[in-house]
Formats: sequence, C-alpha cells, structure tokens
Amino acid sequence: EDQVTQSPEALRLQEGESSSLNCSYTVSGLRGLFWYRQDPGKGPEFLFTLYSAGEEKEKERLKATLTKKESFLHITAPKPEDSATYLCAVPPRGGSEKLVFGKGTKLTVNP
Amino acid sequence: SQTIHQWPATLVQPVGSPLSLECTVEGTSNPNLYWYRQAAGRGLQLLFYSVGIGQISSEVPQNLSASRPQDRQFILSSKKLLLSDSGFYLCAWSQGRAEAFFGQGTRLTVV
Repeated sequence: EDQVTQSPEALRLQEGESSSLNCSYTVSGLRGLFWYRQDPGKGPEFLFTLYSAGEEKEKERLKATLTKKESFLHITAPKPEDSATYLCAVPPRGGSEKLVFGKGTKLTVNP
Repeated sequence: SQTIHQWPATLVQPVGSPLSLECTVEGTSNPNLYWYRQAAGRGLQLLFYSVGIGQISSEVPQNLSASRPQDRQFILSSKKLLLSDSGFYLCAWSQGRAEAFFGQGTRLTVV
C-alpha cells in the first residue's frame, strides 16, 4: 500500500530564514506528487504537481523538487504570510482513485 | 474555469440529529468526487469517493453515508449524529489521476 510521510511535523522559522520540508513516499511506480498549502479553517490549496524525478516547480518563495523516493518543498526567505500547513499527496495507483496524503508540516514564520 | 462549492461553512448539531452536507462542482464533467474529514491537528482521512453517478466507495465503516445523485453533486449524510462525528469536512474533485481541488470545508460540531 502507498505511504506518504512528511517531516518535520512542525517547523518554526524566523522571517528570512530559508529551509526545506520533506515528503517521502513508498509507492509502486512513481506516478507524480502533489503539494498543497492549507490555512487554518480552510480547504487545501493546490500548489504544484511534479511528475518525474528531477522535475522542479517554482512559485514565489516556494520551490518543489522531486527524486525517485522523496520530494522537497524549499522555502526561500519566508515571510509570516507563508505560515500554513503544507501537505503532499501521491496520485492513485491503477484501479484506484484514492489520493494518498501525508499528515502535513505545520510551518510558522515569525516576524 | 472550474469551481467547487461546499456548504454550510459551519454547523452545530445535537447528538442524534440528521446531517446533510452538499458539494457541487461547476465547469467540468464526470469528475471524481471525494469527502474527507480532518480532525484537529490531524491529517486528511478519506471517507468516500465516487467515480460516477450512483457509484460510491466507502473507505471507513462509520455513521456516515454518501450519495451522488447528479454528475457534479456529492452529498454526505447521517441519520443520527454522534459526538465523534465532529470535525472539519472537505469535499474535493479531480479529473482522472490529476491533482484534486478542494472546497472551503464545513466545520461540524456535534453537541
């Protein structure tokens, strides 16, 4: 069964202090990976899709990268408004339509 | 463009009362539809998913049921709510095995 593990569970940064969030997965055949941002009391907001190892996507201060076993969400010079929970998920395997989500990393950026 | 509507945003219901949460999607046809529940500080728990009208897959045996009476309508129901049904309920849609898009969620408190 596909499994997605995110680390750390929580991360506290100072404004401008760059860092990375990790999403590792055990799946039978890489089918891509999704990143989401979730603010308190809101539904997850889609950020990126990565389909193949070596692929990178960027959006403002966020850059997502993908290897055969894990994905990183790099946050460069974060601002307080980047505070949120970041979730990753893998697409369903053949014969299933179930997305498999990690439990998320709660990021807090202090001013 | 595609949009997803989920209502109500908040709901307080007494134990033993019925529940009906509705989700509709616009701008796409034959989407996959999902109901998730998120407990405070926890990950996303898949409750039900549907790949077509009248086709419902249940992931967790419980006090809830789902129905898909129309192509872009997904309903989460309960005949008698339990205290343990409290949580944050999220509807989502996807096309095939691409990324999923979420509604804004319903905060359900059973008292």
